[in-house]
Amino acid sequence: GAGVSQSPSNKVTEKGKDVELRCDPISGHTALYWYRQSLGQGLEFLIYFQGNSAPDKSGLPSDRFSAERTGGSVSTLTIQRTQQEDSAVYLCASSPARSEKLFFGSGTQLSVL
Amino acid sequence: ELKVEQNPLFLSMQEGKNYTIYCNYSTTSDRLYWYRQDPGKSLESLFVLLSNGAVKQEGRLMASLDTKARLSTLHITAAVHDLSATYFCAVDAGGGADGLTFGKGTHLIIQP
Repeated sequence: GAGVSQSPSNKVTEKGKDVELRCDPISGHTALYWYRQSLGQGLEFLIYFQGNSAPDKSGLPSDRFSAERTGGSVSTLTIQRTQQEDSAVYLCASSPARSEKLFFGSGTQLSVL
Repeated sequence: ELKVEQNPLFLSMQEGKNYTIYCNYSTTSDRLYWYRQDPGKSLESLFVLLSNGAVKQEGRLMASLDTKARLSTLHITAAVHDLSATYFCAVDAGGGADGLTFGKGTHLIIQP
């Protein structure tokens, strides 16, 4: 596609429910990143994929968070048993290779009530 | 742990004026990025600085990198309202698998 695509753009959920956020990177980009941006804050790194593997998962805030990437393309970020503090914009970015310019998607605004 | 600090965090300025945003970081890195974010929008890449002394310019924005001082600057010349946005710097710690570490952003308002 022309850019990084994320879905849904907005998600409202009840506390305790599970949510899945999807990221479709730019075709051919091997590196994929998930970040979280809370209101008025900077970006918090969550996880990075090179191909299908995630060399470092230490950025994930808790074991309720997990992510996978299949076929070197689409990635899914799953949050189980959502809490109100999970409310944020979740941004996905991809790049042709690690350490190159990141192209960001428009994000998923997650609201946990 | 890599720390990235921007200042100022908030800046209100008049059109036509010049100003500089500063980005300091705590560990050695030779890759630094500047991004722009408009309200409610995602991040747009402005500059990638890959070596000591690198200088990039586009329009009224110019970015530079001093790896020895661990400092990057984003200079705005003769500001115009359209440049109002939040500007983030980000640093690549290198070596490991971590993503970029971002500063908290500089919220820039340019008033007529």
